Amino acid sequence: RKEVEQDPGPFNVPEGATVAFNCTYSNSASQSFFWYRQDCRKEPKLLMSVYSSGNEDGRFTAQLNRASQYISLLIRDSKLSDSATYLCVVNGKGGNKLVFGAGTILRVKS
Amino acid sequence: EAEVAQSPRYKITEKSQAVAFWCDPISGHATLYWYRQILGQGPELLVQFQDESVVDDSQLPKDRFSAERLKGVDSTLKIQPAELGDSAMYLCASSTENRGRAFFGQGTRLTVV
Repeated sequence: RKEVEQDPGPFNVPEGATVAFNCTYSNSASQSFFWYRQDCRKEPKLLMSVYSSGNEDGRFTAQLNRASQYISLLIRDSKLSDSATYLCVVNGKGGNKLVFGAGTILRVKS
Repeated sequence: EAEVAQSPRYKITEKSQAVAFWCDPISGHATLYWYRQILGQGPELLVQFQDESVVDDSQLPKDRFSAERLKGVDSTLKIQPAELGDSAMYLCASSTENRGRAFFGQGTRLTVV
């Protein structure tokens, strides 16, 4: 079983739609959770950290469910510019390293 | 905004040759990561440094890959000899602490022919 698992998609949605991604992780002791965005052939960039109480940044909302060991990302009012790969990141077994999921592809269409 | 610097941006090398990549993290960042990303996959950790010490190199193919961060600042990743399967993007990232948010450089895209 992979340490961090994501649905690869692609998710094809129209502009203005709401879309949600889930990510599951295997290390119950994980303490750090992030969502990164990666554009084609570019480096990953931090989208947002994920906190236990959930957090929101504009159109983006992240949630953490420790009991079920998954995190989610909700994007409201999707824009064409949101088209990218969204990477789920969790600190892995042993505690120190950051483990990336394979990413979920989002395509927003007009 | 401070950035992680990597060079070269692109590298084409023949199999069995040696190749090296360089990374200069954001000033003051003690944690440095090298990741490898194959097209269509997420980044895979190769090695993690805390200052000049290796804290995780469990996924580093040590028969051909080596990494160093001698003064706890910039770092070099070397492959010798390169194989066709090493073609990938090599990403360097840095962070102020273990498990903290990581900032990535633009990466080195390696093609082995």
